[in-house]
Amino acid sequence: AQKVTQAQTEISVVEKEDVTLDCVYETRDTTYYLFWYKQPPSGELVFLIRRNSFDEQNEISGRYSWNFQKSTSSFNFTITASQVVDSAVYFCALRGGGADGLTFGKGTHLIIQP
Amino acid sequence: SQTIHQWPATLVQPVGSPLSLECTVEGTSNPNLYWYRQAAGRGLQLLFYSVGIGQISSEVPQNLSASRPQDRQFILSSKKLLLSDSGFYLCAWSRGGAGYEQYFGPGTRLTVT
Repeated sequence: AQKVTQAQTEISVVEKEDVTLDCVYETRDTTYYLFWYKQPPSGELVFLIRRNSFDEQNEISGRYSWNFQKSTSSFNFTITASQVVDSAVYFCALRGGGADGLTFGKGTHLIIQP
Repeated sequence: SQTIHQWPATLVQPVGSPLSLECTVEGTSNPNLYWYRQAAGRGLQLLFYSVGIGQISSEVPQNLSASRPQDRQFILSSKKLLLSDSGFYLCAWSRGGAGYEQYFGPGTRLTVT
């Protein structure tokens, strides 16, 4: 069985602070895929990034960066110099090698205060 | 570019009434299609997925059903709604194969009274 744990239910920081959202996963598949999604108050999930299990390179996209470590089964997400528009619920998700859907964590509600 | 539509956006239905939610995708062919439900304060739960017309896989036993009558159309149905069916229903699509990201529609907020 697959499992994704986002231990941080809610994080509140002041604008311009850096913030890291944690994600720990469990899977027996040797090939798997990890994702991060953003859910703003409107409700629609916005895809942010995909990472394959065989590619442990970290990635940076503007103020966003992702740290994938297979040794600790973690795929953490850092926002640098946070902005109010970053306020949302962020979901980490896992997909095994089959054609089925994503296994989501329960999400982290990020609040950026001005 | 690809777009995904869902309707209705919101729905209030009494217990015991039927349900039909529709999802359509534009700009792609033979997508994998998915239905998820997000209950209040919880993560997303996969309900159904489909890799082709008429091919439906169910992840969670419940009083819901899904159908895929056309390549880019996915329908979620129920004959009799329960209070526990309330939630936010999201449709998603992806390219065929396991490694592709899923793109989500705007969702339908269902309240069963």
